[in-house]
Amino acid sequence: DTEVTQTPKHLVMGMTNKKSLKCEQHMGHRAMYWYKQKAKKPPELMFVYSYEKLSINESVPSRFSPECPNSSLLNLHLHALQPEDSALYLCASSPRRTSGRGEQFFGPGTRLTVL
Amino acid sequence: AQTVTQSQPEMSVQEAETVTLSCTYDTSESDYYLFWYKQPPSRQMILVIRQEAYKQQNATENRFSVNFQKAAKSFSLKISDSQLGDAAMYFCAYLSRGQGNLIFGKGTKLSVKP
Repeated sequence: DTEVTQTPKHLVMGMTNKKSLKCEQHMGHRAMYWYKQKAKKPPELMFVYSYEKLSINESVPSRFSPECPNSSLLNLHLHALQPEDSALYLCASSPRRTSGRGEQFFGPGTRLTVL
Repeated sequence: AQTVTQSQPEMSVQEAETVTLSCTYDTSESDYYLFWYKQPPSRQMILVIRQEAYKQQNATENRFSVNFQKAAKSFSLKISDSQLGDAAMYFCAYLSRGQGNLIFGKGTKLSVKP
């Protein structure tokens, strides 16, 4: 299995809702990442997990809460989002955070719309 | 801080012809990777090619090749025999071996004309 999967593909939520995005990989990678991508812009790093521990939080608002329950799974819990949070949320993984071949493998993304 | 610059917001190429996308970067580090990622309208980010900074030889992957000029901090992507499926947004990206965070350029939107 050489892919990163993300569910759901699309999500529409109101500002008072609580929802979660899910990311899964079975490549044995020990680093996982969340990116936010606005239309026609490059991805922006949000969080990095290394060996299931949060190693980087790029000053993301607390309404985004990441979780890494095990080495294969990464969640992003969403609560009280704003319309400007509407974006494509990409998950990625890599064998290690700072060694190996360097490349990150991306999932197809979740298109989030906040009403 | 490292930066990546893609100076061509949009490019266009005729099918079967060759096109070169430009990328420059700024860093004071010596150990790093450079990548080109492709993002079609389907939005999945796909790795096209990678280059390790300490390797002088330019990377190639089938129709894709790079011109890596370390001293000039330049990393251009050449696509030969362009195909309709090559139409996508192309992002140049830098990765410091010591930090592990991908830094992306703003992207170049490539159109392929039949």
